[in-house]
Amino acid sequence: AQTVTQSQPEMSVQEAETVTLSCTYDTSENNYYLFWYKQPPSRQMILVIRQEAYKQQNATENRFSVNFQKAAKSFSLKISDSQLGDTAMYFCAFKNSGGSNYKLTFGKGTLLTVNP
Amino acid sequence: DVKVTQSSRYLVKRTGEKVFLECVQDMDHENMFWYRQDPGLGLRLIYFSYDVKMKEKGDIPEGYSVSREKKERFSLILESASTNQTSMYLCASSLTGGRGYTFGSGTRLTVV
Repeated sequence: AQTVTQSQPEMSVQEAETVTLSCTYDTSENNYYLFWYKQPPSRQMILVIRQEAYKQQNATENRFSVNFQKAAKSFSLKISDSQLGDTAMYFCAFKNSGGSNYKLTFGKGTLLTVNP
Repeated sequence: DVKVTQSSRYLVKRTGEKVFLECVQDMDHENMFWYRQDPGLGLRLIYFSYDVKMKEKGDIPEGYSVSREKKERFSLILESASTNQTSMYLCASSLTGGRGYTFGSGTRLTVV
């Protein structure tokens, strides 16, 4: 079974600075998908960024980018120019690409606080 | 805007009651999911469904059942609510393949 580990339960960063959230995963599969989700306080979970394992290029969405290291099974999220609205719980998630690829497996989350 | 709608945002029920949590999606997604979210434990999959009338157990199905009579609706049933089922319940839907989920806003259930 796949597992996803987020080793930082809480982090904080000053507004306008850069922060990196860590995620590692364990799988024997070669093809899969990785995701970062954001859950603001009392609000809906939304997708931040998605990476396909067979693509070597790191995904980028505006101020959000990932550092995908397939051999190390590492998938970190970098947030540049942090804003107060980035304060949220962030979840890393894994999904198989083949077979019964219905399920996402989530890490336990990292609570990020952006300070003014 | 595509949506996953959960019928209740907050719910308070008594121990032993039968509880229904409803979820509706308007995206024609094949797959629907119920997770519970608890502090320090992240999201844990209760049940999911990949087609109408089809269901599979997730990681923590005990004490729960589900129903999917129509493609757009997926219900979570607590047959006899207990205090350890107090939690945030999240519904999600997806297409099969490499896309992620679309989540509902969640139902915070308190069992007293």
